Amino acid sequence: DQQVKQNSPSLSVQEGRISILNCDYTNSMFDYFLWYKKYPAEGPTFLISISSIKDKNEDGRFTVFLNKSAKHLSLHIVPSQPGDSAVYFCAASEDTGNQFYFGTGTSLTVIP
Amino acid sequence: GAVVSQHPSRVICKSGTSVKIECRSLDFQATTMFWYRQFPKQSLMLMATSNEGSKATYEQGVEKDKFLINHASLTLSTLTVTSAHPEDSSFYICSASPGLYATNEKLFFGSGTQLSVL
Repeated sequence: DQQVKQNSPSLSVQEGRISILNCDYTNSMFDYFLWYKKYPAEGPTFLISISSIKDKNEDGRFTVFLNKSAKHLSLHIVPSQPGDSAVYFCAASEDTGNQFYFGTGTSLTVIP
Repeated sequence: GAVVSQHPSRVICKSGTSVKIECRSLDFQATTMFWYRQFPKQSLMLMATSNEGSKATYEQGVEKDKFLINHASLTLSTLTVTSAHPEDSSFYICSASPGLYATNEKLFFGSGTQLSVL
């Protein structure tokens, strides 16, 4: 059973606009959440994280929001740039270890 | 930044042969390494957790006799797909962590191996 879900397989956004990528999870024990970015033929690279004690974490153009009651997190990219075009995975883990559970990914295309 | 090297990046083999994939941490010691598998349009699925000097821990549904994992040193883990069949064709990716209880962000990924079994 998929514990982390990204229900939108793809998203297209105009350059300069906001990109919002969503992620839902089912396991209430998840305490750490991460977003990874993946270009074709490359491994995922870490983008931004958030722990359950926060509801927002910001790093430059990237902001992750966590709604624990809804078991939902989102990644906002503002402003979006063509170089942001990639597949974005959200991942979650419990506090007890480093095992991550990934969503299926959302392919973001930023249109110049 | 930390680098994890995964080799080969692509392999094509005949059905019945075994394929070994290497994952190396180049500038840190990786107590723990993880092996994932990704089918097209599906999530990265954790296959097993590899701990240096001990047996790997396999996720439910993963055949340990088919996917042999060896983590003989702090910088190298190998995944051997034994007697590969076409259904084993997939993208395999490793990741490495500097410590057993490292900060969750410090998980570094290899570039992946695309296995095609004819």
